[in-house]
Amino acid sequence: GAGVSQTPSNKVTEKGKYVELRCDPISGHTALYWYRQSLGQGPEFLIYFQGTGAADDSGLPNDRFFAVRPEGSVSTLKIQRTERGDSAVYLCASSEGLAGPLGTDTQYFGPGTRLTVL
Amino acid sequence: AQSVAQPEDQVNVAEGNPLTVKCTYSVSGNPYLFWYVQYPNRGLQFLLKYITGDNLVKGSYGFEAEFNKSQTSFHLKKPSALVSDSALYFCAVRDGGSQGNLIFGKGTKLSVKP
Repeated sequence: GAGVSQTPSNKVTEKGKYVELRCDPISGHTALYWYRQSLGQGPEFLIYFQGTGAADDSGLPNDRFFAVRPEGSVSTLKIQRTERGDSAVYLCASSEGLAGPLGTDTQYFGPGTRLTVL
Repeated sequence: AQSVAQPEDQVNVAEGNPLTVKCTYSVSGNPYLFWYVQYPNRGLQFLLKYITGDNLVKGSYGFEAEFNKSQTSFHLKKPSALVSDSALYFCAVRDGGSQGNLIFGKGTKLSVKP
């Protein structure tokens, strides 16, 4: 079946501009995660959705970053007033949603969006 | 705080030889441990996970990992390496009491030479 898809695959923007990154999770997965991967590093958690609500947004670096998932499926990560330090690969993952203290389900990742801020 | 350490930036092995990629972890509760592989310009692919039960976990592509609670380790292993195994490998941990996000190590680049 179809995996997690992310668009665009590459995004080049200028400092100060606004960008939106889209994630389409595996059908039926209720949990959705955003991570950021800088060069030479492992992915770092940004935000986690269970259904439509953001269950944990503790990883968002500042208030320029925001994410939504209005219908509990597709999610959009929004970055305002981009800075050069925002350049990274943004990864989205989804899981069946058996999250929380009893959750053991596996997160499946999309190919990522490479964001370059000039 | 939760953390994962991958002490080797790079591991080099000859094709056909056994390989080990090391991972140690630190969590406050019961650890849920994962290995992912990343090929160039690709997302992370799930290899295997340890939740509970048998300390030896078998996963995709002939990989396995051994959970060692006393040493807080979860090393990835394969009996016979293939050139196509060359990639970036990430160990990740999730605290059993957390909401669900994974904490990743920095990654280990595996290079398998013919």
